[in-house]
Amino acid sequence: DSGVTQTPKHLITATGQRVTLRCSPRSGDLSVYWYQQSLDQGLQFLIQYYNGEERAKGNILERFSAQQFPDLHSELNLSSLELGDSALYFCASSPRSTNTGELFFGEGSRLTVL
Amino acid sequence: GESVGLHLPTLSVQEGDNSIINCAYSNSASDYFIWYKQESGKGPQFIIDIRSNMDKRQGQRVTVLLNKTVKHLSLQIAATQPGDSAVYFCAEKLFSNYQLIWGAGTKLIIKP
Repeated sequence: DSGVTQTPKHLITATGQRVTLRCSPRSGDLSVYWYQQSLDQGLQFLIQYYNGEERAKGNILERFSAQQFPDLHSELNLSSLELGDSALYFCASSPRSTNTGELFFGEGSRLTVL
Repeated sequence: GESVGLHLPTLSVQEGDNSIINCAYSNSASDYFIWYKQESGKGPQFIIDIRSNMDKRQGQRVTVLLNKTVKHLSLQIAATQPGDSAVYFCAEKLFSNYQLIWGAGTKLIIKP
């Protein structure tokens, strides 16, 4: 158990809809990262927050947005969903915004868009 | 742009043998190289890392080798066990950068 909690574990929705994925980082970790992983593919970095502020942005679509709240949990909002958005979405946390690269990943939220 | 890539997408190894997973990187300025293991249905898990000023680092049953001359990184797993079945990702980063650059992943299959 990494200590990172993601909900929901599974989500099935239709094209055009909007969903929100939630992440609770490890206790004390200030950084939260969001990644997208399509079937049998690598990890695509979406966005990073550190102590409530956006720190880095990767290949995140304009239809997607995220935020980190004062209690450090984070939400990833996906809107106007398309079939190609079907993927595993991982959240990871780390204690500092710059580090050796050790991230602690949650078990992911599997999104299926029909 | 800079990228990290893997030579082999799938590797099959006999149980008990040693496994070697390879990775090529292109950013000679990277400070850290990291290996992650992702078991089916789970999130990636940190295995081991190595700084750019090192050539070799050993962990429990795993060894990471870094060859900066040819920009090559490898992960050696000794006495491979069924529990080692997973996808292995290499990643690189600059210490001053927030982001990891991830490789494509190698799927390790253990033959009984």
